Amino acid sequence: EVQLVESGGGLVKPGGSLRLSCAASGFAFSTTRMNWVRQAPGKGLECVSSISYTSSYIYYVESVEGRFTISRDNAQNSLFLQMNSLSAEDTGIYYCASTVMAAGGRGFDFWGQGTLVTVSA
Amino acid sequence: DIQMTQSPSSLSASVKDRVTITCRASQSISTYLNWYQQKPGKAPKLLIYAASTLQSGIPSRFSGSGSGTDFILTISSLQPEDFATYFCQQSYSAPWTFGQGTKVEIK
Repeated sequence: EVQLVESGGGLVKPGGSLRLSCAASGFAFSTTRMNWVRQAPGKGLECVSSISYTSSYIYYVESVEGRFTISRDNAQNSLFLQMNSLSAEDTGIYYCASTVMAAGGRGFDFWGQGTLVTVSA
Repeated sequence: DIQMTQSPSSLSASVKDRVTITCRASQSISTYLNWYQQKPGKAPKLLIYAASTLQSGIPSRFSGSGSGTDFILTISSLQPEDFATYFCQQSYSAPWTFGQGTKVEIK
């Protein structure tokens, strides 16, 4: 059974930092592109960052470029997101998601339960 | 960035109704289009990827079609468990952007 379990969320003051973790099991994590997707309260979905299985390709949405760092440890089947200089606009649920790759398409096939990040004074 | 526009934003339907949701991309995305279902308090679930490929375990009443810029998600016979919010997503080019969502409510 595929499992993605996020941790590390919480309440942080503006300008603060958090490190999110995602523990993966039940699939070939070391050969899977991974992603962090966030959802602000009552809003839609936004892919914040992605990382290839070798870490050779990394993507950040413009709004977090320079503040967030995605990384992975294939030996430990873990994904991370270091978040610095947080602002209220970063508040939301952060999901870890794996990527399915196929001819003519690719999507986020498995998701964790999410971890809530609240940035507030 | 590629903009994804869904319509309608919400709809009311009855059990056993046929429901269609459309998604339009601001530029051609070939078949790099996914559909997700999200229920309150839960993570999104992948229903369809590559525009028309049903994800494993998803009921056959869900289907997807389209290519280029215009796509459709069809639920052939709405079931009680299908009342949820549906999102489309393009995975043609980064950032992989989502539509704003379509909420399917009980009539």
